[in-house]
Amino acid sequence: ELKVEQNPLFLSMQEGKNYTIYCNYSTTSDRLYWYRQDPGKSLESLFVLLSNGAVKQEGRLMASLDTKARLSTLHITAAVHDLSATYFCAGDNSGGSNYKLTFGKGTLLTVNP
Amino acid sequence: NAGVMQNPRHLVRRRGQEARLRCSPMKGHSHVYWYRQLPEEGLKFMVYLQKENIIDESGMPKERFSAEFPKEGPSILRIQQVVRGDSAAYFCASSPDLAYEQYFGPGTRLTVT
Repeated sequence: ELKVEQNPLFLSMQEGKNYTIYCNYSTTSDRLYWYRQDPGKSLESLFVLLSNGAVKQEGRLMASLDTKARLSTLHITAAVHDLSATYFCAGDNSGGSNYKLTFGKGTLLTVNP
Repeated sequence: NAGVMQNPRHLVRRRGQEARLRCSPMKGHSHVYWYRQLPEEGLKFMVYLQKENIIDESGMPKERFSAEFPKEGPSILRIQQVVRGDSAAYFCASSPDLAYEQYFGPGTRLTVT
């Protein structure tokens, strides 16, 4: 059974600083996802990482995947207040007949001016 | 193309009542997943359905919860005799086929008083 661990769970940053959120997973996962969730809202898909070495960037966010280390990272560059949200990583249980998502507990990011 | 739709968006029920949550997948999507987000917890898989079939309900509580996805109409998650611990956000996601990315709806926030 796939297990996904994120750290840190809470992250308070100053605007303009860089930081990385880490996502470790326990067994093979076909894909690794990163989502953003604002309070009271749904999940917004940020990145889908498909293969070892995959790197994707959108604005100040960059995600990467190392399948050998079973590690994905979400790097935040020059944080701004608008990035304040909860970020989840998730893997899909590539169990043949079911691609249910297993989520990490989420990282609550607060960017302070 | 309309996204995944869920209704109601907010639902208040008294203990012992029934809750019915509806999910209309994106057009052309025949795979539906339900997830629950409890306060202070991450998102957890509940059930995976295809049209007229429950494929995996390993995440569903053994009692009071049921799900269906009929040939016509939305998928329904039904909670009988609700208790306070059922208060949560319930999200559904749909995909066009197995192994495709899931798209999330806005969620239904259930409050049990």
